[in-house]
Amino acid sequence: GQNIDQPTEMTATEGAIVQINCTYQTSGFNGLFWYQQHAGEAPTFLSYNVLDGLEEKGRFSSFLSRSKGYSYLLLKELQMKDSASYLCAKGGATNKLIFGTGTLLAVQP
Amino acid sequence: KAGVTQTPRYLIKTRGQQVTLSCSPISGHRSVSWYQQTPGQGLQFLFEYFSETQRNKGNFPGRFSGRQFSNSRSEMNVSTLELGDSALYLCASSPGLAGGIGETQYFGPGTRLLVL
Repeated sequence: GQNIDQPTEMTATEGAIVQINCTYQTSGFNGLFWYQQHAGEAPTFLSYNVLDGLEEKGRFSSFLSRSKGYSYLLLKELQMKDSASYLCAKGGATNKLIFGTGTLLAVQP
Repeated sequence: KAGVTQTPRYLIKTRGQQVTLSCSPISGHRSVSWYQQTPGQGLQFLFEYFSETQRNKGNFPGRFSGRQFSNSRSEMNVSTLELGDSALYLCASSPGLAGGIGETQYFGPGTRLLVL
């Protein structure tokens, strides 16, 4: 199978740190992507991991463990504008992305 | 650089009709992928085109088809529309090099289709 699993919803407080987990089937793996999607808008690219470890990009970091089929997205210093859906996607062959159903993050004051 | 554009943005059709959606990729990108997004299923891969050829296909019925033109613009067509085809249809473009593996895909705003 190609299941991508991530929590459906999360809530966090402005200024805090939140970690969104994603697990995936390891077969046919060609990288792990994270996208952000605000309601009514297109998904926008956040990060890509193909090797194990942590990739840091400003307030956002993404981690990958290929052997465990596990990734997480870490958001620091949360802002209200970070309220959105966060989509985990496994890269397959020729630009085929297998997406999870997304994690809806609500940032509260 | 202009982003990915899709037309139309909104569409209402009735069951049994057919529909054609259009996508213009980022200039220089040769790969266009199409996805269907619904609340229950999330984003699901439809197909990917590169150099006017379909390189990969998802698990959708043959009513869903597409094509790509020499300028990399792409269209997708859905025939004999069903109520369940109501969704947001997103296209995404990428350079398409190295077989498209590991490339970041950039999404357009989508076409929201409602089938009545």
